[in-house]
Amino acid sequence: EAQVTQNPRYLITVTGKKLTVTCSQNMNHEYMSWYRQDPGLGLRQIYYSMNVEVTDKGDVPEGYKVSRKEKRNFPLILESPSPNQTSLYFCASSFGSIGLTEAFFGQGTRLTVV
Amino acid sequence: DQQVKQNSPSLSVQEGRISILNCDYTNSMFDYFLWYKKYPAEGPTFLISISSIKDKNEDGRFTVFLNKSAKHLSLHIVPSQPGDSAVYFCAARGAQKLVFGQGTRLTINP
Repeated sequence: EAQVTQNPRYLITVTGKKLTVTCSQNMNHEYMSWYRQDPGLGLRQIYYSMNVEVTDKGDVPEGYKVSRKEKRNFPLILESPSPNQTSLYFCASSFGSIGLTEAFFGQGTRLTVV
Repeated sequence: DQQVKQNSPSLSVQEGRISILNCDYTNSMFDYFLWYKKYPAEGPTFLISISSIKDKNEDGRFTVFLNKSAKHLSLHIVPSQPGDSAVYFCAARGAQKLVFGQGTRLTINP
């Protein structure tokens, strides 16, 4: 089954404690990206990757890091989380370097930073 | 600076009637537009799309209309069904990324 898998689904952490949200896709997609969803703001892109070892900033990259060492995985790293990073996060992947037709989304990770 | 806007946070429609969701954009360089549907506790799923060279695309009960001169697109759902109750996001493609609107919560009443 074609899917994008994110882990964990829910996470409560404390300010400053480094965390990683994993994302894996089994469709051999080149393009992967991370979004955060906040009330009234919709989905905003954090980082994206057009292929292995190729990553770039989206609209709201501050406080986040990513890496793309393998095609299937695209983890999101928060080195020192802060309460304003409390949000619902989605990983997405799509076919092709332009990558932006029917993106497949993971189920989301609800992060709370206290 | 919100390049893609959905000005209606919510919409309530009676079952069997037409649902019309609207979306406005500001960037004339966007070349492809998409609608996504999102149920609670799930990720968005692709619904329908339209290229900027077209003005209409239809898929079953769903039709998307694009008015480039007005920088406006709309999603029509006919007839509306209870399972259509969800949050709908429009998105526009440009510069290696998708830009999303804020979403509209559609509720279909029996």
